[in-house]
Amino acid sequence: GAVVSQHPSWVICKSGTSVKIECRSLDFQATTMFWYRQFPKQSLMLMATSNEGSKATYEQGVEKDKFLINHASLTLSTLTVTSAHPEDSSFYICSARVGPLRASPLHFGNGTRLTVT
Amino acid sequence: GQQLNQSPQSMFIQEGEDVSMNCTSSSIFNTWLWYKQDPGEGPVLLIALYKAGELTSNGRLTAQFGITRKDSFLNISASIPSDVGIYFCAGSDRPTDSWGKLQFGAGTQVVVTP
Repeated sequence: GAVVSQHPSWVICKSGTSVKIECRSLDFQATTMFWYRQFPKQSLMLMATSNEGSKATYEQGVEKDKFLINHASLTLSTLTVTSAHPEDSSFYICSARVGPLRASPLHFGNGTRLTVT
Repeated sequence: GQQLNQSPQSMFIQEGEDVSMNCTSSSIFNTWLWYKQDPGEGPVLLIALYKAGELTSNGRLTAQFGITRKDSFLNISASIPSDVGIYFCAGSDRPTDSWGKLQFGAGTQVVVTP
């Protein structure tokens, strides 16, 4: 089955620094990946849709200059949290699928716990 | 973002009991998915539903796509301790051949006591 790998699993950084999170599709090519954020005891909130070879599409209220997304290849998308602040501390999860909805439902990575001190 | 209405919010059950949870939407959906999330991990797909009325099982799990296309339920039979976790429904109102974004329910926390 489709496998999505996310790295790192957790990261602690100081306020003002930037953090990069990687999302890889291990056994399939993903032209589209999705980035979610999840706060404790809450559901997943879509941040942006990452499209290979083109600009990401951000959801309303998500700052594109703060959450930089790069989808340079068919198997890798990265999310960079720039100038991180404590309120950016959250669980970030990427997801991908092989094809349209019927062919392949969404599969998730294991998430990255970001703590900004 | 918009969320589905998922209930109950939490369930405390004894091992061996059955569990039932559901999701409803105000609009017609073409796809319903059910996920389970363990602490500190990403959601894992349990069951995918693509047709109104569809009833699908995965071991002790059974899910159905409502006839009205506005709801879905998930049942867990004979619960065991490892069923503990948060269960999310997710759905899309886009055609199944599209790349439509998923909407997620708020989750149902399941706690199983021996």
